[in-house]
Amino acid sequence: DAGVIQSPRHEVTEMGQEVTLRCKPISGHNSLFWYRQTMMRGLELLIYFNNNVPIDDSGMPEDRFSAKMPNASFSTLKIQPSEPRDSAVYFCASSRWGASYEQYFGPGTRLTVT
Amino acid sequence: QQQVKQSPQSLIVQKGGISIINCAYENTAFDYFPWYQQFPGKGPALLIAIRPDVSEKKEGRFTISFNKSAKQFSLHIMDSQPGDSATYFCAATLFNAGKSTFGDGTTLTVKP
Repeated sequence: DAGVIQSPRHEVTEMGQEVTLRCKPISGHNSLFWYRQTMMRGLELLIYFNNNVPIDDSGMPEDRFSAKMPNASFSTLKIQPSEPRDSAVYFCASSRWGASYEQYFGPGTRLTVT
Repeated sequence: QQQVKQSPQSLIVQKGGISIINCAYENTAFDYFPWYQQFPGKGPALLIAIRPDVSEKKEGRFTISFNKSAKQFSLHIMDSQPGDSATYFCAATLFNAGKSTFGDGTTLTVKP
C-alpha cells in the first residue's frame, strides 16, 4: 500500500520564481495537512483540509502561499513569488480523521530558493 | 502562542541508557497525545500515543507517562540503542479541531 506521495523530492529555484509542490494522500484518508520544517521554527502547520475543504489556513505565512485540493487524491502548495526565506522541507500528511487520528507523513520536498 | 513546550532540545545518551523527553501543554481540552519519530531525510512517523484518561502506556522499550494534573507528559526510551537516534516530536490533538499541535522536537543521539 503506497504511503503519502510528494513531488518533487528536491526543488532548487531562483528568487521570484513560482514553485508548486504536489501531494497525493493515502487513499481513503479524508484530511490532508501541509507542514513546513526548518531548524529555526521546527514543524509548522501551514494549512489543512477536511474532505477537500480548507479548514484552517492560519499558518500560511503570507499571501504568496496558496494551497488547493481539487479532489480527494491530490493537493498542491504554491509559492509565488518565492523568496530565499521560503527554503525549508515541506511535508504533506494525511489521516482518516474521526476513525484514527494518526497522521501519515510523506517523504517531504526540500525546497531551496537562491 | 505555543501550546506544547518540549524539552530538552537535544539529548545524548549512552547505549543501554534511558532517554527521557518531556512535554508540557496548556490547553486542557486536548484529547490525544502522540509522539512521532523522525529519521534524517524522512517524514515523522507515529511512535506511540496516549489518551488523557490513562497515566501510562508502554510499547516495547517505549513508554509514555502522563500527568494530567500537571499538564505534562514524557517519553521514556529504555535500553536506548544507536538505531533510536532520531528527532522526536510530542504533539497534542484536538479531535473537534481536526489537527495536532507539535512540540519543537528533541534530537536524540545514542552513542555506542
